[in-house]
Amino acid sequence: NAGVMQNPRHLVRRRGQEARLRCSPMKGHSHVYWYRQLPEEGLKFMVYLQKENIIDESGMPKERFSAEFPKEGPSILRIQQVVRGDSAAYFCASSQQGTGAEPLHFGNGTRLTVT
Amino acid sequence: AQSVTQLDSQVPVFEEAPVELRCNYSSSVSVYLFWYVQYPNQGLQLLLKYLSGSTLVKGINGFEAEFNKSQTSFHLRKPSVHISDTAEYFCAVSDQGTDKLIFGTGTRLQVFP
Repeated sequence: NAGVMQNPRHLVRRRGQEARLRCSPMKGHSHVYWYRQLPEEGLKFMVYLQKENIIDESGMPKERFSAEFPKEGPSILRIQQVVRGDSAAYFCASSQQGTGAEPLHFGNGTRLTVT
Repeated sequence: AQSVTQLDSQVPVFEEAPVELRCNYSSSVSVYLFWYVQYPNQGLQLLLKYLSGSTLVKGINGFEAEFNKSQTSFHLRKPSVHISDTAEYFCAVSDQGTDKLIFGTGTRLQVFP
């Protein structure tokens, strides 16, 4: 049973380009979370999605960032017009029930570098 | 809003010595508590969790943690560390009924031979 799959592992973008980060949750999981980890900091919650719905986006920057989790296919975190401050590791996590009684399963992350 | 404080950003320790990584959280409601470990360039792996019941929780790799409600703490301990325990350790909290985790800033455990 494959774990949470994130790709690409490393992504380099120039300022002003778009970054697309993909996350395939564990089989049978319908709850997806995105977190951002800045250097020397902990993980900050960004957004929580279920299939075709954004449940909580309280951690998402108001501009340039968007997320989706379509009925078919992976969840996508999209960053438009990237800036150097977007350089970070972005982690996706998934769960089956969304109740908190089971731990989140994390992917290995996508490390975004903006040059 | 929930918050988690990990008081030590780095903890150096010699191999086979005991270690305690401290974690305090702020909450007046029932919570779930977790410790995760992150090895370099990898994702987070669950060490242990507290949902309810016994306040002493045992996890993988010989780690354990004790939930102390009166002190709102959830410190992580291991009686004898190995070189392979060198990693970043994150404490996290969630409100009961939700998966949304709030993380501390992490503690880098460095084990020396």
